[in-house]
Amino acid sequence: ILNVEQSPQSLHVQEGDSTNFTCSFPSSNFYALHWYRWETAKSPEALFVMTLNGDEKKKGRISATLNTKEGYSYLYIKGSQPEDSATYLCAFNQAGTALIFGKGTTLSVSS
Amino acid sequence: KAGVTQTPRYLIKTRGQQVTLSCSPISGHRSVSWYQQTPGQGLQFLFEYFSETQRNKGNFPGRFSGRQFSNSRSEMNVSTLELGDSALYLCASSPRDRVIGEQYFGPGTRLTVT
Repeated sequence: ILNVEQSPQSLHVQEGDSTNFTCSFPSSNFYALHWYRWETAKSPEALFVMTLNGDEKKKGRISATLNTKEGYSYLYIKGSQPEDSATYLCAFNQAGTALIFGKGTTLSVSS
Repeated sequence: KAGVTQTPRYLIKTRGQQVTLSCSPISGHRSVSWYQQTPGQGLQFLFEYFSETQRNKGNFPGRFSGRQFSNSRSEMNVSTLELGDSALYLCASSPRDRVIGEQYFGPGTRLTVT
């Protein structure tokens, strides 16, 4: 059974802190790794979709890296703001298969 | 472009009943996936439809079924409801054709089974 692990499960930081989360996935038959942000009372929103080993993607203060050979991805948030408070989900799939989601990392940013 | 819509948003059913949930994808998206989220669990994949064909199916009992219509709208049905079926059901559409791509999620249907 394919499994996606995310750590930490939850995180509390102060405004202005930088933080990062980890997503681990099976390295065999890799096709794509997705990151989503899920704010309370909203729908999950796609942040990044990465397919190539060594991929680095950036959107504002948020960036992500991908290592398909060892099966992990990091999500970085620079200078966290209260509006970054959300659950961050990663999902992985092999070619032709459905997305398998991790349980998420819940980030809380205090002002 | 209008986003993914799901109806109804909230639903209360009794154990043993059946329920049908509806999802309208973003215009032009032909892939529709369904997910279940329960407390303490991540999003659990139910099934994916593309051009009216089920392309992938998750590890759920046969009580869970779905279909997709020619206009890409999708429905999922749960028969003989159990208390454990209480969950948030999310639908997502994707613009990719050959493989599942970036998911655009709807607001979800909150199902409560009593």
